[in-house]
Amino acid sequence: RKEVEQDPGPFNVPEGATVAFNCTYSNSASQSFFWYRQDCRKEPKLLMSVYSSGNEDGRFTAQLNRASQYISLLIRDSKLSDSATYLCVVNGRTNAGKSTFGDGTTLTVKP
Amino acid sequence: DVKVTQSSRYLVKRTGEKVFLECVQDMDHENMFWYRQDPGLGLRLIYFSYDVKMKEKGDIPEGYSVSREKKERFSLILESASTNQTSMYLCASSGVYGYTFGSGTRLTVV
Repeated sequence: RKEVEQDPGPFNVPEGATVAFNCTYSNSASQSFFWYRQDCRKEPKLLMSVYSSGNEDGRFTAQLNRASQYISLLIRDSKLSDSATYLCVVNGRTNAGKSTFGDGTTLTVKP
Repeated sequence: DVKVTQSSRYLVKRTGEKVFLECVQDMDHENMFWYRQDPGLGLRLIYFSYDVKMKEKGDIPEGYSVSREKKERFSLILESASTNQTSMYLCASSGVYGYTFGSGTRLTVV
C-alpha cells in the first residue's frame, strides 16, 4: 500500500461545477499537509497548506480528517484555468523535511 | 520572489556520458531534493540532503550520485547515463512553507 494515495482521475467537469478530491495517508504520525498544483510540463507549485481547522482560499477549500487519515480539496465554480494535476503532500515533520507525494489527480474543466 | 534554479531546461546526452544537473536555491533552505518524474509514475525521490556535505538515498538512487558542497547548491550526477534515465528531473528545496521546485530539466539519453 502506498503511503499517500489519490484517485488518479481524470475528473472531467463543466465550467462552474464543484469538484472534490480526496487523499488518504497511512502514517498516523504525519504532521503537515499540502496541496500542490502541477500544470502540464511544468513544475509542481504550492496551492495551499492544510490545517486541522480547515482553510479556505477563494474558491478552494482544504480539509484534514486525522481520525480517518485523509485530506480533501474542494474547488467551487470551476474555471478552465483550474485544469491541472493536483498533488497531495504529506510530511512527518513540521519543518517540511522529506515529504511524501501522491501521484496526483488530474482535473479537466470543459467549457 | 524565492527561487530554485536548474541550470538546463532541456538536455540531450549520449549513453555512457557523465551528466551533471545543477540546482541552486536562494532561500537559505537546509533541505534540498532531487526527483524524477515519469508519466504514470509520479514523483520519485532520488536523493536528498539536510545539510552541506550531507546526503541520503531516496527511493531510486541507483545510477545516481549527488554533491552538496555549499548550502545553496545541490548537484545530481549520472555517473554513466543510460536510456532508462531519460526523464524529467526536478530539484526542490523545502522550508516551513513547503517545497519550492525548480522548473525542471528534461533529459534525453540517446
